[in-house]
Amino acid sequence: EDQVTQSPEALRLQEGESSSLNCSYTVSGLRGLFWYRQDPGKGPEFLFTLYSAGEEKEKERLKATLTKKESFLHITAPKPEDSATYLCAVQAGDKIIFGKGTRLHILP
Amino acid sequence: DAGVIQSPRHEVTEMGQEVTLRCKPISGHNSLFWYRQTMMRGLELLIYFNNNVPIDDSGMPEDRFSAKMPNASFSTLKIQPSEPRDSAVYFCASSLLVGLTDTQYFGPGTRLTVL
Repeated sequence: EDQVTQSPEALRLQEGESSSLNCSYTVSGLRGLFWYRQDPGKGPEFLFTLYSAGEEKEKERLKATLTKKESFLHITAPKPEDSATYLCAVQAGDKIIFGKGTRLHILP
Repeated sequence: DAGVIQSPRHEVTEMGQEVTLRCKPISGHNSLFWYRQTMMRGLELLIYFNNNVPIDDSGMPEDRFSAKMPNASFSTLKIQPSEPRDSAVYFCASSLLVGLTDTQYFGPGTRLTVL
């Protein structure tokens, strides 16, 4: 069965304390892996798409990486405004499967 | 651009009533997606359209759910009859290119409560 698992479920960091969020997947025929950010009461906002193992993408303090089994979202020197839920999704064939997200809270 | 527009933003109804959720995608986008988000199950794709044609409705939970896209600028998701377990936030998203791989832009969602 295709599955996407995100860890940890929740993470509290001090401002400036770098860390990584994990998205592990077991799917057949990966066609793309997506990272989204979701603020409370809003729809998800697109961050990155990764297509193949070894690929990396960066945007401001965020960097996403992909291997054959998992993806990491690295956050460097986070600020309070980076607090949000980060969602990972995988396209496998004609299906798209979302993980349940990591709730990130950055303390000032 | 106004982004994806959904209405209503909040809906409270009683079990057995018909509920209609509405979505206006970003102009020029060729794919439209309906999702449901709950704490227990997370975000789930219900159905998506390419060029107004339904492509995959395997995520629609039951026959009580139906979706239409009569033209490129409007789609509806209908639940009839509604049940308490349908309570969730329903999102509409659109993308420029057809299929699942292109960047999806989400609307603000409709929070549905069925009493």
